[in-house]
Amino acid sequence: GIQVEQSPPDLILQEGANSTLRCNFSDSVNNLQWFHQNPWGQLINLFYIPSGTKQNGRLSATTVATERYSLLYISSSQTTDSGVYFCAVRQGAQKLVFGQGTRLTINP
Amino acid sequence: DTEVTQTPKHLVMGMTNKKSLKCEQHMGHRAMYWYKQKAKKPPELMFVYSYEKLSINESVPSRFSPECPNSSLLNLHLHALQPEDSALYLCASSQPLVNTEAFFGQGTRLTVV
Repeated sequence: GIQVEQSPPDLILQEGANSTLRCNFSDSVNNLQWFHQNPWGQLINLFYIPSGTKQNGRLSATTVATERYSLLYISSSQTTDSGVYFCAVRQGAQKLVFGQGTRLTINP
Repeated sequence: DTEVTQTPKHLVMGMTNKKSLKCEQHMGHRAMYWYKQKAKKPPELMFVYSYEKLSINESVPSRFSPECPNSSLLNLHLHALQPEDSALYLCASSQPLVNTEAFFGQGTRLTVV
């Protein structure tokens, strides 16, 4: 099956800093999503981005499908950005495969 | 409306109990999913229903029994669970297509005592 690797596994930053999270995948994909899991466990959709670049406020994402990676950028971090960020790719029509996640801690 | 609703939010059950987790969506999605997430791990797929039929069972033990009564509802029936089954159980929905976005509920945090 498809392999999804995320880096770094942990990231600790001060409020106001910028960060880049990376997601590598082992096979070509037609579907990639970024999620933020908050401390209560809810997976919040950030981006559906099988290719190209999208922006939503302080967050943006880029997927280069031909090179099998995606990047999530967070600018001017806030403490509420803390949590675990997952990328997930779809294997076939039905199975969403998650990376191991990046645990982001933003200190005030 | 991009909401998937799960109940209950928290559940504590004994190893001899029978309980059910419930999931509901009103986005017109025809695929629904159960995922299990242990602490500090990513979600792992358990079951997929497509057009109300079970299409994927990831070798889940029979003490977990899924049910999809209609296109909006998904249940997970629990019986004779073990303490190691304690986890966050997440429901998701999407269209049963490759290029489609999935949405997750807030999860049920299950503790088996």
